[in-house]
Amino acid sequence: GAVVSQHPSRVICKSGTSVKIECRSLDFQATTMFWYRQFPKQSLMLMATSNEGSKATYEQGVEKDKFLINHASLTLSTLTVTSAHPEDSSFYICSARGGTSGNTGELFFGEGSRLTVL
Amino acid sequence: SQQGEEDPQALSIQEGENATMNCSYKTSINNLQWYRQNSGRGLVHLILIRSNEREKHSGRLRVTLDTSKKSSSLLITASRAADTASYFCATDTGRRALTFGSGTRLQVQP
Repeated sequence: GAVVSQHPSRVICKSGTSVKIECRSLDFQATTMFWYRQFPKQSLMLMATSNEGSKATYEQGVEKDKFLINHASLTLSTLTVTSAHPEDSSFYICSARGGTSGNTGELFFGEGSRLTVL
Repeated sequence: SQQGEEDPQALSIQEGENATMNCSYKTSINNLQWYRQNSGRGLVHLILIRSNEREKHSGRLRVTLDTSKKSSSLLITASRAADTASYFCATDTGRRALTFGSGTRLQVQP
C-alpha cells in the first residue's frame, strides 16, 4: 500500500514557540492531504484539508492562523502550530488517499506526531 | 463533527474469543471503512464495505453494513493478544475526508 511518512514523531516545546510537522507521501503523489487531531482515548477530528498549490480548507472551529498548512508539492504538506500553548498538546496525524484510489477508498496515515507544549 | 458512534467504548475478552464492535452513523454514505490504531501510532486500514454491499470478509474479519439502520459491525474471530488496539469506523460521504467514529478499545487477554 501507499506509504505516508510523518515527522517528527514526538516534539516537546515551550509555550509561545512554533512547531512544524511534516507529512510526506513516499511512493505516490497526493494532491490532497488531511490533518487530523486526536486527544487521548478519543476519536480523530478533522482539522483541515490540505490542497497542493492552493489554500487549505479548514473545518469549523479550527483557527487557520493558529494552524498554518502549506502544501507546496505533490508529496509534502506541513502543519505549523504557531505560538503553541499547553492546550495545543495533542496527537496530530496526517493522511492521504493513495495514488490509485482517487477520491474514494482508503486513507493512508502517517505515524502521527505527539506534541507536548510546556 | 462526529459522524459515527461506536459501542462498546471498551471491550475486554480472552484469546480465542470473538470480538464484535458496532458503529452507527447519521448521513448517507458511499462506503464505510474500519481502521485499527495501536496505542500512540497511526491508523491502519482494515476493510472497506460499499453502500451496496451487506457483508464482507477479510481473513478473520467480518464486516456487515445495514444502510437502513445506518449501522455496521466488525467481527474479529478467534482473537489474539496482538489484536489489542483501538478500532474505528469511518464513513465516506463523498467529501474527500473520512469522518471517524468514537472508537472501541479492544483488550485481548492472553
